[in-house]
Amino acid sequence: KAGVTQTPRYLIKTRGQQVTLSCSPISGHRSVSWYQQTPGQGLQFLFEYFSETQRNKGNFPGRFSGRQFSNSRSEMNVSTLELGDSALYLCASSFNSNQPQHFGDGTRLSIL
Amino acid sequence: DAKTTQPPSMDCAEGRAANLPCNHSTISGNEYVYWYRQIHSQGPQYIIHGLKNNETNEMASLIITEDRKSSTLILPHATLRDTAVYYCIVRVADYGQNFVFGPGTRLSVLP
Repeated sequence: KAGVTQTPRYLIKTRGQQVTLSCSPISGHRSVSWYQQTPGQGLQFLFEYFSETQRNKGNFPGRFSGRQFSNSRSEMNVSTLELGDSALYLCASSFNSNQPQHFGDGTRLSIL
Repeated sequence: DAKTTQPPSMDCAEGRAANLPCNHSTISGNEYVYWYRQIHSQGPQYIIHGLKNNETNEMASLIITEDRKSSTLILPHATLRDTAVYYCIVRVADYGQNFVFGPGTRLSVLP
């Protein structure tokens, strides 16, 4: 069974640009969550989607947004990029909320 | 904030059992204990989870104290590939309940 796939693996952007990251969950998983990981703040929850609806949201500014498609694939978008947005962005999927989440290997975003 | 406390780092000799402790003294009755690990440059990997009974799978064993205020993850025969940051998380298995990761324990398996 294929794991969680995130694309691209690496991305370099400049301040003020916007970026879209993609996540394909494990087949059959309907819940997709996004996390940001930085050396200073660790792993922080961004948001969770289930059946195309955002079900939970972390404490991030509105520049961070996401969506989920009918096939459970998810995208997250960050607009007006700032230097502090440099991080590893992780996607995790689960069959439903009472099952463990399984993570992809992330997209490493660098802002110049 | 994370609801768990873990030692920041531990060493273990290769081939020996690694016992990673976690304190979760404020755990509520419907919160599960989950363990993940993260090897450098990879996403966190699910290891095991439990509610109140001890659990074992092909990767590890989870021992939860009777009062559920602490737990121990046991890697029975640690290898160099088990060197990673180990996260202990408590979470209600319900809709809208995200995983809150603390700083974890950095386990170094030494040859």
